[in-house]
Amino acid sequence: DQQVKQNSPSLSVQEGRISILNCDYTNSMFDYFLWYKKYPAEGPTFLISISSIKDKNEDGRFTVFLNKSAKHLSLHIVPSQPGDSAVYFCAASYNFNKFYFGSGTKLNVKP
Amino acid sequence: DGGITQSPKYLFRKEGQNVTLSCEQNLNHDAMYWYRQDPGQGLRLIYYSQIVNDFQKGDIAEGYSVSREKKESFPLTVTSAQKNPTAFYLCASNKRQGDSPLHFGNGTRLTVT
Repeated sequence: DQQVKQNSPSLSVQEGRISILNCDYTNSMFDYFLWYKKYPAEGPTFLISISSIKDKNEDGRFTVFLNKSAKHLSLHIVPSQPGDSAVYFCAASYNFNKFYFGSGTKLNVKP
Repeated sequence: DGGITQSPKYLFRKEGQNVTLSCEQNLNHDAMYWYRQDPGQGLRLIYYSQIVNDFQKGDIAEGYSVSREKKESFPLTVTSAQKNPTAFYLCASNKRQGDSPLHFGNGTRLTVT
C-alpha cells in the first residue's frame, strides 16, 4: 500500500505563473517531508524540506506547505521557469528511518 | 567535491547472471540506501543500511543482496532470482541525525536480456 501519493502524473504551466504540485500521505507518524526534482537518467536532486513542527518553509522561488490534519503536502514554484521542467517527487520519513516516495509529477513549464 | 558515485552508468547482462552495482560516497554519511525506479513509477526501497555491518530489507528486497563492510561503500548484487531486474537503480545516503535529506547518485541503468 502506497503511503505517499502524488495523484497528478503531469502538470503544464505557463512561464512566469505559479506551479502547484500536490502530495498526500497516509501515515500520521511521518515527521519529515521533502521534495526532489529529477531529470531523465539522473539521480533526484533535493529541493526543499519541512519538518512536522512547521507548516511552511520557503527557499527562494520554492515554498513547501504542510497540512497535517489533511495529511497533505504541496510545493509552490513562483515564478515558474522553463528550466523547472522535470519530474518532481515528494517523500516522507519518520524517526530518522527509511524514506517513502510518491510516484512523481511531471512538470512542463511552457515559454 | 563530496558526493555519491555509482558505476557503471549503463550495464548489460544476460539472464541468469548475477551482477553487482557499485555505490561509493565521500560525504561521511552513516546511512546508505538502494532504490529502484521503473518507468512511470516512483522510487521503491530495496535495502538500506544505517551503520557499517548492518542492513535491513526494504519493500522489494527479494532477488537482491547487499553488504556494508565500509562506511563509504554499499554495493548491490542483483541475483538471477530477481524476476524483473531491468530498471534504473539509485543509491542514496544521509546522516542519521536531525532532518537530513537523502543525497542521490546519478544511477545505474541495468538491462537484462
